Amino acid sequence: DQQVKQNSPSLSVQEGRISILNCDYTNSMFDYFLWYKKYPAEGPTFLISISSIKDKNEDGRFTVFLNKSAKHLSLHIVPSQPGDSAVYFCAASAGASGTYKYIFGTGTRLKVLA
Amino acid sequence: DGGITQSPKYLFRKEGQNVTLSCEQNLNHDAMYWYRQDPGQGLRLIYYSQIVNDFQKGDIAEGYSVSREKKESFPLTVTSAQKNPTAFYLCASSKATGVGYGYTFGSGTRLTVV
Repeated sequence: DQQVKQNSPSLSVQEGRISILNCDYTNSMFDYFLWYKKYPAEGPTFLISISSIKDKNEDGRFTVFLNKSAKHLSLHIVPSQPGDSAVYFCAASAGASGTYKYIFGTGTRLKVLA
Repeated sequence: DGGITQSPKYLFRKEGQNVTLSCEQNLNHDAMYWYRQDPGQGLRLIYYSQIVNDFQKGDIAEGYSVSREKKESFPLTVTSAQKNPTAFYLCASSKATGVGYGYTFGSGTRLTVV
């Protein structure tokens, strides 16, 4: 049972436009979410996080939105740059229940076209 | 520079052979984790450790073993009991085990059975 789902395996966006990566989850106990970026043959690097007490968190070109009622979060990248081309993973944790482990989605491969 | 180091980067194993993947961190992080990445799948948790001399099974622990004799080291042994060991293995660490503490990942080890 996939508790964290990224239904789009890939996404292509023109340079300068907005990239929107989506993530859905099924466990209502999840209360902390992370986005990671991964280049081939490298470990993921942390991008941005959001707690369930917020519905938006912004860091430069990256904004994460959380819709708790829909159990949906999205990562917006504006403007998209060729260097953003990578695989993006969302991850969720149910910290309030004492479970601190993160459950990862399957990833979305973003390709930013120059 | 603090970080998390995995070695080797590439590893080849013969059928029936045990191999050990190294993971070392100098971040003074309490918790360490091993994940496995397969094509089209998210990162799946193999084992994790919150403190020295203690570790717990993750979602796919069968055929793997770990030890945590030192805070900075968390080696993973892939045993001959693991039927499909070819994958990309990622080690991660976090400052603590509560919500809000994201992971720092190593650069990964690609294991191939020959």
